[in-house]
Amino acid sequence: GQNIDQPTEMTATEGAIVQINCTYQTSGFNGLFWYQQHAGEAPTFLSYNVLDGLEEKGRFSSFLSRSKGYSYLLLKELQMKDSASYLCAARRSNDYKLSFGAGTTVTVRA
Amino acid sequence: ETGVTQTPRHLVMGMTNKKSLKCEQHLGHNAMYWYKQSAKKPLELMFVYSLEERVENNSVPSRFSPECPNSSHLFLHLHTLQPEDSALYLCASSTQGGGGEQFFGPGTRLTVL
Repeated sequence: GQNIDQPTEMTATEGAIVQINCTYQTSGFNGLFWYQQHAGEAPTFLSYNVLDGLEEKGRFSSFLSRSKGYSYLLLKELQMKDSASYLCAARRSNDYKLSFGAGTTVTVRA
Repeated sequence: ETGVTQTPRHLVMGMTNKKSLKCEQHLGHNAMYWYKQSAKKPLELMFVYSLEERVENNSVPSRFSPECPNSSHLFLHLHTLQPEDSALYLCASSTQGGGGEQFFGPGTRLTVL
């Protein structure tokens, strides 16, 4: 089965750091995706973690702990354009499916 | 621009209408997907096609009928929909086997009156 949980909303100030947590219960887990989706636009790929640890990509970093069923997306030096919904998705081995969380709406304020 | 296009971007239809959503990918992928996105809910996978064959049908009502004539095009035919079918319908594509990231189109915002 699949159960993906992430907070509904978060608010932060421009220039600050925000951490979006995601917990999952996925049989045959084989990787965790993060997508960004601006209102009215397509979700766009941010990161993919398969192994435990932190992956850094510019201002965005993603962490995975397979033993804890836990991931987070870290957004540093927040900019107004980072206001968007952030989707966590778990992938199963040998499967086409991505199971998505409901998304976390991040609002960046000046 | 992700390389996946969808038309129309907005659609309003009555419950007795028949309409079709179109998706086209220019990425050379051979797996394509339809998702439904409702407000405050997770993306729901509806259908998966790999090499033009349907490999997944997630208990979707028969009023939704997918078609994949080739690896670049995917359609979703709609008929006798219900108001609760109003949502954003997203198309995505990936390499075969779903091993890589999925690239999404901008979606069709569907309203059923």
